[in-house]
Amino acid sequence: ETGVTQTPRHLVMGMTNKKSLKCEQHLGHNAMYWYKQSAKKPLELMFVYSLEERVENNSVPSRFSPECPNSSHLFLHLHTLQPEDSALYLCASSKFRDRAISYEQYFGPGTRLTVT
Amino acid sequence: TQLLEQSPQFLSIQEGENLTVYCNSSSVFSSLQWYRQEPGEGPVLLVTVVTGGEVKKLKRLTFQFGDARKDSSLHITAAQPGDTGLYLCAGARGTPGSSNTGKLIFGQGTTLQVKP
Repeated sequence: ETGVTQTPRHLVMGMTNKKSLKCEQHLGHNAMYWYKQSAKKPLELMFVYSLEERVENNSVPSRFSPECPNSSHLFLHLHTLQPEDSALYLCASSKFRDRAISYEQYFGPGTRLTVT
Repeated sequence: TQLLEQSPQFLSIQEGENLTVYCNSSSVFSSLQWYRQEPGEGPVLLVTVVTGGEVKKLKRLTFQFGDARKDSSLHITAAQPGDTGLYLCAGARGTPGSSNTGKLIFGQGTTLQVKP
């Protein structure tokens, strides 16, 4: 595998289910991101992890819970979601440059989530 | 709130035509990136511009960063059906070497359709 991979690619879940999205990067990067992409809206940054430490949490509801066990893996745990949470969830990664996170991000293909 | 506004939001043209997509803001960015996203995939980085007035070319694509680093444009010459996709601009605040979270501000995107 190369680049950034995400599984599953498609997920349909009920409002009472618990599921997890997985992201893996094979680029040797140090920072990972979760984004939400809804129709006709800009990409919304949800979480940022730098060296496995969460450095940004953009007022995301607690029904979304991220986990970053190491610099190559990122999870998004989902529970009691709402229909308006249906969207494409994108994972991205970037590397450090000059002791700061590079702004050049590499995205996975996304997980298309439908909440029924 | 920092906003990046892209125009037009949707563009449908014939193969061989030229087009320009604009990305405007009232805020200054340290760098700006352009991504292309195809259906069912994540965004792919095309270019990063850093210096005010900078022009970069990628085959038939020409990217320009405004002198004041508040706006950018993407010009495509002789568009081809393979250019079809969602074009996203994204701006970064912060300077290299300083602490930052790699946070990007995304525009809402321009959907380009090139008909054969």
